[in-house]
Amino acid sequence: EDQVTQSPEALRLQEGESSSLNCSYTVSGLRGLFWYRQDPGKGPEFLFTLYSAGEEKEKERLKATLTKKESFLHITAPKPEDSATYLCAVQAGGTSYGKLTFGQGTILTVHP
Amino acid sequence: GAGVSQSPSNKVTEKGKDVELRCDPISGHTALYWYRQRLGQGLEFLIYFQGNSAPDKSGLPSDRFSAERTGESVSTLTIQRTQQEDSAVYLCASSLVGDNSPLHFGNGTRLTVT
Repeated sequence: EDQVTQSPEALRLQEGESSSLNCSYTVSGLRGLFWYRQDPGKGPEFLFTLYSAGEEKEKERLKATLTKKESFLHITAPKPEDSATYLCAVQAGGTSYGKLTFGQGTILTVHP
Repeated sequence: GAGVSQSPSNKVTEKGKDVELRCDPISGHTALYWYRQRLGQGLEFLIYFQGNSAPDKSGLPSDRFSAERTGESVSTLTIQRTQQEDSAVYLCASSLVGDNSPLHFGNGTRLTVT
């Protein structure tokens, strides 16, 4: 069974204090690993897709990396507007495209 | 509109009643998905449409749940004889077909069964 575990469950940072969110996964043949951001009362917003170990992607203050067992979302010098729940999801090989297994998310709060 | 639109945004219903949830995907997106997000849990896949056919219904929790899609347009998720455990946010997403096409989610319908 495919599983995704995110840690920590919640993270409180001061503005400018860099940190990382972890996503550990077990999947039968990784087809893709996805990071989403979700604001309260909103649907998840796509951030990144990673396909193979060693791959990295960046967007503004966010950088996602991937190994064979986990992914990290690095947040550099965060701002209060980066506060949100960050979701990690995997798609297994042989499954319907878009059939993702999600983790429970990390709630990030950035204080000014 | 530019994004995925879902209605209603909130629905309160009594146990045993039927409910219909609606999703308008992004124009041109042939793939459409329904997910469920229960409090404190990760998103759960329910069903996948390619056009108006549903090649993967494996996530539907019981035969009380069904979904339809008209062409490459609107989809409705119907829950019959609602139970309290059906209370959740129901999210719809759409995408182009292909591994490089991310899912675009709507803001969901919050369903509360009393």
